[in-house]
Amino acid sequence: QVQLQESGPGLVKSSETLSLTCTVSGGSISSTIYYWGWIRQPPGKGLEWIGAIYYGGTTYYNPSLKSRVTISKDTSKNQFSLNLNSVTAADTAVYYCGRSGPTIGYMDVWGQGTTVTVSS
Amino acid sequence: QSVLTQPPSASGTPGQRVTISCSGSSSNIESNYVYWYQHLPGTAPKLLIYSNDQRPSGVPDRFSGSKSGTSASLAISGLRSEDEADYYCAGWDDSLSGVIFGGGTKLTVL
Repeated sequence: QVQLQESGPGLVKSSETLSLTCTVSGGSISSTIYYWGWIRQPPGKGLEWIGAIYYGGTTYYNPSLKSRVTISKDTSKNQFSLNLNSVTAADTAVYYCGRSGPTIGYMDVWGQGTTVTVSS
Repeated sequence: QSVLTQPPSASGTPGQRVTISCSGSSSNIESNYVYWYQHLPGTAPKLLIYSNDQRPSGVPDRFSGSKSGTSASLAISGLRSEDEADYYCAGWDDSLSGVIFGGGTKLTVL
């Protein structure tokens, strides 16, 4: 059974870079039909898709975040990561990593979520 | 403001049938699959419906999805107290080249 676990700082200073890692167990991120991605939920707001990386390395990003986001993967560690630079208070949210596939919208396995607060 | 439009709230009594709508456009709902997610704040979202009307294994058949043109709907029959949650529609948007979520509908079981 595939499990995902987010890790990273819970507090990031404004204008700095938010970095989170998702560790995958029980399955390989090199599996050919899956995307590995991130969504978030700011306090009191709805879910927002951040982006995803396909097994071959192709990345897909939310256009509203594209200029600040990088999603990468490390197959040797079976992990994938999110970097969001120049953060502001608006980036304060619960961040979830997830697996989707065979289509990118089919998100069937998730991490438990991690809260990231951007402080001034 | 979300590209996919959902009512902010819905409610029903136990045993009732409730429908949640999701309105989009030709670049998303009309031309791509619709997904529905159930979310309890503080927990991971749960996939309820994929490919417009398909249920993953383990999702009760009380939950059903449909799509027509630029709109989609999630129906919950035999409403139960544990159905009280936020529900989101989602899908791919060809113009944005990304996944979009509706704004979410908070379902209250009275």
